[in-house]
Amino acid sequence: DGGITQSPKYLFRKEGQNVTLSCEQNLNHDAMYWYRQDPGQGLRLIYYSQIVNDFQKGDIAEGYSVSREKKESFPLTVTSAQKNPTAFYLCASSIWDRGTRSPLHFGNGTRLTVT
Amino acid sequence: AQKITQTQPGMFVQEKEAVTLDCTYDTSDQSYGLFWYKQPSSGEMIFLIYQGSYDEQNATEGRYSLNFQKARKSANLVISASQLGDSAMYFCAMRVRAAGNKLTFGGGTRVLVKP
Repeated sequence: DGGITQSPKYLFRKEGQNVTLSCEQNLNHDAMYWYRQDPGQGLRLIYYSQIVNDFQKGDIAEGYSVSREKKESFPLTVTSAQKNPTAFYLCASSIWDRGTRSPLHFGNGTRLTVT
Repeated sequence: AQKITQTQPGMFVQEKEAVTLDCTYDTSDQSYGLFWYKQPSSGEMIFLIYQGSYDEQNATEGRYSLNFQKARKSANLVISASQLGDSAMYFCAMRVRAAGNKLTFGGGTRVLVKP
């Protein structure tokens, strides 16, 4: 079955450490996205990528970095510069087309806790 | 800039009754798409329904229908015959072609279905 895999489901880190969240998809989608969700709130876009070796900042990119070396993979690094890294992180992918019809398909998320 | 507003933070609905979730949006672009997602307590995001700005008919998918009023910039979700499994957070989202097709989310509405 095709889908998006995020690992791990729960992640704990000490303040000041960088941490990388994994996101892999086998849907053959060109576009991939990272969103952050805080308790009781909507999703906010961190970074997105339309093609391999290219990505753009979303609305809250500060303190995060990404890479897109392979079509299937879009890892997110939460750096020590991110002031409030504790959150639920969701990765998504979609067909990249010129219209607006293609829905995003989401992984199950990684819950990051930094103490 | 694009904005999605969901004014109902939470609501109760009796099992087997219908419920309407409000969503208003703001964009100056003519080409856009509106989506509704469901997020159960487990955290995954489930795509429910899509409405394109040029679609003449309101979208329907099983028990979900979208009441699209373009002039009022509203895209309300109607869930008919509510089931206990419908208890979840529901998010309205918008994709604007001119803005790189990023998906922007509203703050969500929590629905609790009472037996």
